[in-house]
This record gives sequence, C-alpha cells and structure tokens, in this order.
Amino acid sequence: GAVVSQHPSWVICKSGTSVKIECRSLDFQATTMFWYRQFPKQSLMLMATSNEGSKATYEQGVEKDKFLINHASLTLSTLTVTSAHPEDSSFYICSANPAGVRGQGAFFGQGTRLTVV
Amino acid sequence: GENVEQHPSTLSVQEGDSAVIKCTYSDSASNYFPWYKQELGKRPQLIIDIRSNVGEKKDQRIAVTLNKTAKHFSLHITETQPEDSAVYFCAASIGVGAGKSTFGDGTTLTVKP
Repeated sequence: GAVVSQHPSWVICKSGTSVKIECRSLDFQATTMFWYRQFPKQSLMLMATSNEGSKATYEQGVEKDKFLINHASLTLSTLTVTSAHPEDSSFYICSANPAGVRGQGAFFGQGTRLTVV
Repeated sequence: GENVEQHPSTLSVQEGDSAVIKCTYSDSASNYFPWYKQELGKRPQLIIDIRSNVGEKKDQRIAVTLNKTAKHFSLHITETQPEDSAVYFCAASIGVGAGKSTFGDGTTLTVKP
C-alpha cells in the first residue's frame, strides 16, 4: 500500500516557540493532504485540508494563524504550530491518498506527539 | 456537516467470539465508509471499506454491512483473537478520495484469551 511518512515522531518544545511537522507521501503524489489532531482516548479531529499550490482549508474553530499549513509540492505538506502553548500538546497526524483514486481509504502518517512545556 | 456516531465505546469479548461495532451517519451524500484499526501509539490502518453501491463486503474474518436507507453501517469480526484488541474507528466521506473523513469516536475492543 501507499506510504505516508511523518516527521518528527515526537517533539518537546518550550512555550512560545514554534514547531514544524512534515508529512510526506513516499511513493505517490498527493494533491491533497489532511491534518488531524487526536487527544488521548479520543477520535481524530480534522483540523485542515492541505491543498498543493493553494491555501489550506481550515475546519471551523481551528486558528489558521496558529496552525500554519504549507503544501509546496505534490509529496510534502507541513504543519507549523506557532507560539505553542501547553494546551497545544497533542498527537498530530496527517493523511493522504493517491491523487485521482476515488473512494480509497486514507493512508496515515505515523503521527507526531507534541509536548509543550 | 456530517455527523458520525459509533457504538459501543468499549467492547470486551472472549477469544473466539464475534464482535460487532455499529455506526450511523447523518449526511445522505456520504458514499464511502472505511474502518480503521489503531493500536496504542500507532497510526490508524485501514482494515476494510465499503462504498454506497454495495450492501456488504467480507474479507476473511472481517465484514462490513451498509444500510443506506437507515444510514448505518456495521463492522463484524468473527473468531476474535487477542491481536484484534485495538481501537476501531468508523468514518464517512463524500466524493473523491477518503482523506477528509468524519470519524466516529472509536470503540476500544478487548479480546480476552
């Protein structure tokens, strides 16, 4: 199956700093990638849709200035958590599926555990 | 927007028994329904999916059924094994691709040996 790689797997940062998370599709091109946030023992909450070459589409309640998304190529999307605070601590996970493939399950990155201290 | 409800939130079965997880969705335009298995600390992995033009699909010990009229779909696992223990998520999506999915809240399945 298709492979989506996410980096880093975990990161600890100080309050007020910014953290960048990368999501790469390794063996396929993805015009669209998705960023989710998952709290312990909870479901995946869609944060935004990352669109290659254009602005990301954010879900209601997600601050676009805090969670910056860039999708500069067909294989890479980045999520930057700016001015991180302890409440931003969470598991962030991206997904993608091969472009043009209708109705195929998403492939997830391995996730990034962010801890803000 | 779409709303997906999943039940039960926890399920404990004896090894060899069957497990059933049910989901309902609200948007009749949803046409793709994947199920994911997530082990602790790992990424969700697709285990089976069904499209709106199909009523049932089976893959070895796993099956999924879809009732479009009632807007509900279910995951059935037969002959459960301890390695089936995980959190299972249902999802619903519309249109091309399945990345932008609305997920259910998850079911923690425990299979006791």
